[in-house]
Amino acid sequence: GENVEQHPSTLSVQEGDSAVIKCTYSDSASNYFPWYKQELGKGPQLIIDIRSNVGEKKDQRIAVTLNKTAKHFSLHITETQPEDSAVYFCAASRGDDKIIFGKGTRLHILP
Amino acid sequence: DADVTQTPRNRITKTGKRIMLECSQTKGHDRMYWYRQDPGLGLRLIYYSFDVKDINKGEISDGYSVSRQAQAKFSLSLESAIPNQTALYFCATSAASGGAYEQYFGPGTRLTVT
Repeated sequence: GENVEQHPSTLSVQEGDSAVIKCTYSDSASNYFPWYKQELGKGPQLIIDIRSNVGEKKDQRIAVTLNKTAKHFSLHITETQPEDSAVYFCAASRGDDKIIFGKGTRLHILP
Repeated sequence: DADVTQTPRNRITKTGKRIMLECSQTKGHDRMYWYRQDPGLGLRLIYYSFDVKDINKGEISDGYSVSRQAQAKFSLSLESAIPNQTALYFCATSAASGGAYEQYFGPGTRLTVT
C-alpha cells in the first residue's frame, strides 16, 4: 500500500521567512496530493492540493510542487506570519477511496 | 467545521468498558471516515464507508467496529477499551462525486482509557 514520509517533524522559522515541508510517496498510482493544516484543538483543514497532471500550484503565500518522477512533493509558505503556526500534514491518494497521511510537521513561527 | 460534528468531545473511560463515538454531518456527503491521531504518528485510517451498505476496514481496524446508521451518521465503537486506544479521534466526510478528494474533518474526540 501507499506510504507517505514527511520531513521535518518540527520546523521553526523567523516571522517573514519562508518555510518548506517535504514529502515522498511510494505508490506511483497516486494522483492526488492534498495538504492539511491543523490548528490547536481543531480538526485538519485542507489548505491546498495538487493533482498529478500539474507540477506546481500557488495560492497567495502558499505553493505546492510535485515531482512525479522522484515521487516527492513539497509545501512552500512565504512571508510567514504568526497565524501560520500549526501542524501541517501532507497526504497522497489514488483519488478513489482513501487518503494516506504523513506524520505531520509542527511549524513554529518565531517573533 | 460545524458541518461535521462529533460527540462527545472529551471522554475518559476505564479499561474493558464499551464506548461509542458518534459523528454526524450536514454536508450531504456519501463518504465518511474515522481516523485516529497519535503524537508523532499522524492520522491513521480506522474505517471508512462509501454509503450505508458499504463499510471498509482501514489500516488499523483491530479493536474497533463501526455502524453507518444513515447517510449522515457514522459511529465508531470500542467494544472493550484498552489504554493504548487513548488518542484523538476524527471523523471526516467527502463527496462521492469527488472520490477521496477534499475530506472535511470534525473537531475531534479526545479519548482517554485508564
